[in-house]
Amino acid sequence: AQSVTQLDSHVSVSEGTPVLLRCNYSSSYSPSLFWYVQHPNKGLQLLLKYTSAATLVKGINGFEAEFKKSETSFHLTKPSAHMSDAAEYFCVVRQTGTYKYIFGTGTRLKVLA
Amino acid sequence: NAGVTQTPKFQVLKTGQSMTLQCAQDMNHNSMYWYRQDPGMGLRLIYYSASEGTTDKGEVPNGYNVSRLNKREFSLRLESAAPSQTSVYFCASSSTGAVLNSPLHFGNGTRLTVT
Repeated sequence: AQSVTQLDSHVSVSEGTPVLLRCNYSSSYSPSLFWYVQHPNKGLQLLLKYTSAATLVKGINGFEAEFKKSETSFHLTKPSAHMSDAAEYFCVVRQTGTYKYIFGTGTRLKVLA
Repeated sequence: NAGVTQTPKFQVLKTGQSMTLQCAQDMNHNSMYWYRQDPGMGLRLIYYSASEGTTDKGEVPNGYNVSRLNKREFSLRLESAAPSQTSVYFCASSSTGAVLNSPLHFGNGTRLTVT
């Protein structure tokens, strides 16, 4: 069954510096991939989704993710971190041929002033 | 613009008590889901309903039952609560089918404590 692995459980960056949150997926002919964000004591919000129309996907709040089939990766990036980006981020895959969405274990992003 | 509505928001149970978590969506979505969130483990799928009239087990179904009451509503029942079921529970829905990249839409969660 398909799965995703988030390589870092915690990431700390300084405000104004780039953000990189890493996600690898198990191989599939055509994965459906998503990134979600969860601010403290809040629900989950969709950041972006991979549509297969383009390998570079733009999301909300300046986030982007690049689909790299050769590396089976879908890393999330942002050029300049803001204090409001401090949250937990989840990489999600919908298993091909099923209705199941499987979550990674999450990466908690800390932004330092 | 309600989206996915979960009730209650908070609940405290004693071991052995039962309760039902309610979920309703107004987006005409086919599929609905129940997840639990525990620190360091992400969200784990308990049960899902691909369409009205069907339900299937997810990763962690033991101790839970579900009912897809109609297209809008999907409830999660704990028959005999255990401390290990202390968690935050999220309901979600999706317009699944032919479109593979339909995202999940989430409710605001239910924080359940079992003592």
